[in-house]
Amino acid sequence: AQKITQTQPGMFVQEKEAVTLDCTYDTSDPSYGLFWYKQPSSGEMIFLIYQGSYDQQNATEGRYSLNFQKARKSANLVISASQLGDSAMYFCAMSGSGAGSYQLTFGKGTKLSVIP
Amino acid sequence: DTGVSQNPRHKITKRGQNVTFRCDPISEHNRLYWYRQTLGQGPEFLTYFQNEAQLEKSRLLSDRFSAERPKGSFSTLEIQRTEQGDSAMYLCASSLGLVVNEQFFGPGTRLTVL
Repeated sequence: AQKITQTQPGMFVQEKEAVTLDCTYDTSDPSYGLFWYKQPSSGEMIFLIYQGSYDQQNATEGRYSLNFQKARKSANLVISASQLGDSAMYFCAMSGSGAGSYQLTFGKGTKLSVIP
Repeated sequence: DTGVSQNPRHKITKRGQNVTFRCDPISEHNRLYWYRQTLGQGPEFLTYFQNEAQLEKSRLLSDRFSAERPKGSFSTLEIQRTEQGDSAMYLCASSLGLVVNEQFFGPGTRLTVL
């Protein structure tokens, strides 16, 4: 079974500052994928970034980067230069390589609030 | 650019009634997923289709729930004899089925059972 833990229910960040959202995971699959999604108040889940378990380098997508530490089973999301539009719920998720590999397992999310 | 669409966006029903939701995935995507999200939680997987074949079902999907994808295009999720515990956001996602398996989500259908 796969499990995602997000320990920060809510975070505040000043506009233009960087912020790190924590995510730890647990799985017995030899290979897996880690995802971050953003969910604004409108409800739609927006894909942000992906990291494969065998990828040597940390993933980056614009202002988003994923700090992947395999030994610690952590996959933290770093948002640089926060903007007011970044205020939303952020979900960490993973997919595996065995049975059920196509489904995503999500954490409970972190609510990010960007302060002007 | 047409993303994943879901209808209706909101549904209010009385306990015991049947409801049906529709999901139209991105046209070239062969995989389609249904998730359920309750307040304060992340989405939970319900079921998955590859083309028209339903390949996985969560134990969350009781026998009151049925999903179809008749021609490998749109999908429907039906809930029979709704209960108040069925109140949630029902999310549909689709993907190309590549290694990364990035899933694109629709806006969801919010179900309220009175």
